[in-house]
Amino acid sequence: DTEVTQTPKHLVMGMTNKKSLKCEQHMGHRAMYWYKQKAKKPPELMFVYSYEKLSINESVPSRFSPECPNSSLLNLHLHALQPEDSALYLCASSQGRVPGHGGYTFGSGTRLTVV
Amino acid sequence: AQKVTQAQTEISVVEKEDVTLDCVYETRDTTYYLFWYKQPPSGELVFLIRRNSFDEQNEISGRYSWNFQKSTSSFNFTITASQVVDSAVYFCALSEAGRGSTLGRLYFGRGTQLTVWP
Repeated sequence: DTEVTQTPKHLVMGMTNKKSLKCEQHMGHRAMYWYKQKAKKPPELMFVYSYEKLSINESVPSRFSPECPNSSLLNLHLHALQPEDSALYLCASSQGRVPGHGGYTFGSGTRLTVV
Repeated sequence: AQKVTQAQTEISVVEKEDVTLDCVYETRDTTYYLFWYKQPPSGELVFLIRRNSFDEQNEISGRYSWNFQKSTSSFNFTITASQVVDSAVYFCALSEAGRGSTLGRLYFGRGTQLTVWP
């Protein structure tokens, strides 16, 4: 299995809703990432987990709450989002934080629309 | 300062033309990795190539080739005999291996939208 699987592929949520994005990989990678990508922009790093511990938080608002329950799974919990949070959310993984061998593998993303 | 610069925002070519996408990077680390990703309209980032800073050998993979030159801090990508299916946004990216605070960060350029017309 050489994939990063993200669910759901599309999500529409209201500003008062609570939802979660899920990311899963079974490549034995120990670093996992969340990126946010707005239209016609490059991906922007949000969070980095290394060995299930949060190692980088790019000053992301608290309405985004990451969780890494185990080495294969990464969640992003969403609460009280704003319309400007609508974007493509990409998950990625790598063997370690230094991409010496396998580089980064990205999932196909979740397109989030906040209404 | 932008660590990765892709000066070409949009490029349009006609099928079978060759096209080169430029990428210039900036880093003080001696160990780093450079990447190219393709992003079709579906959104997935498709990995194309990874190069480490100690390997300046150019690479060819089918119609794709990459020219890595440390002297000019460039990592350019050429598509030979372009096809309509090559239409996508292409991102160049940099990862630094030498500093704790930057470990794991992937710095993306702004991307180049390539459109190949039939």
